[in-house]
Amino acid sequence: KQEVTQIPAALSVPEGENLVLNCSFTDSAIYNLQWFRQDPGKGLTSLLLIQSSQREQTSGRLNASLDKSSGRSTLYIAASQPGDSATYLCAVTMNRDDKIIFGKGTRLHILP
Amino acid sequence: DTAVSQTPKYLVTQMGNDKSIKCEQNLGHDTMYWYKQDSKKFLKIMFSYNNKELIINETVPNRFSPKSPDKAHLNLHINSLELGDSAVYFCASSQNQWPGAFFGQGTRLTVV
Repeated sequence: KQEVTQIPAALSVPEGENLVLNCSFTDSAIYNLQWFRQDPGKGLTSLLLIQSSQREQTSGRLNASLDKSSGRSTLYIAASQPGDSATYLCAVTMNRDDKIIFGKGTRLHILP
Repeated sequence: DTAVSQTPKYLVTQMGNDKSIKCEQNLGHDTMYWYKQDSKKFLKIMFSYNNKELIINETVPNRFSPKSPDKAHLNLHINSLELGDSAVYFCASSQNQWPGAFFGQGTRLTVV
């Protein structure tokens, strides 16, 4: 059974700092891994998608890496801004049944 | 016990038909969502209802119409189906904010 874990559950950092969010999963038979953000009262916003054959993806100040063999992914946010404050979730799509399994998220707060 | 259930799991239909996908959650959540997973497995929000009220309505064709008869149900009706509508559609529910959102297993829609 696939389990997705995100540590820490909450994180506060001063504006301008670089930070890393962690995601781990127990079953490496994934099709892809996605990182999302969710703002209060809103649905998910897709940030980055990494196919199982890829090692990383970049979009602006965001960089996501994937190490499938060790069951780990990281989301790197450079030069953090108050607008980055949100809950960040990672999710894996399983090969066999398209099922998407989410972690519980990391609640990020960027201090102005 | 299934938390978020979608029916049907698979749906194959011809272009031009009208079809519905049903979603029910037994978690007592007040917010429900419909997401579309495209061919690259990227998840995109379509609609969100909070206490039966539409709160998120992304840019989707008017042929897509969500209906929420009560807090526990959010159905997706699609008129005049087109080939490009083929995708996996996910229903989800949450209590106001993450964490705690649960996703259904998805409905694979194939338009031929």
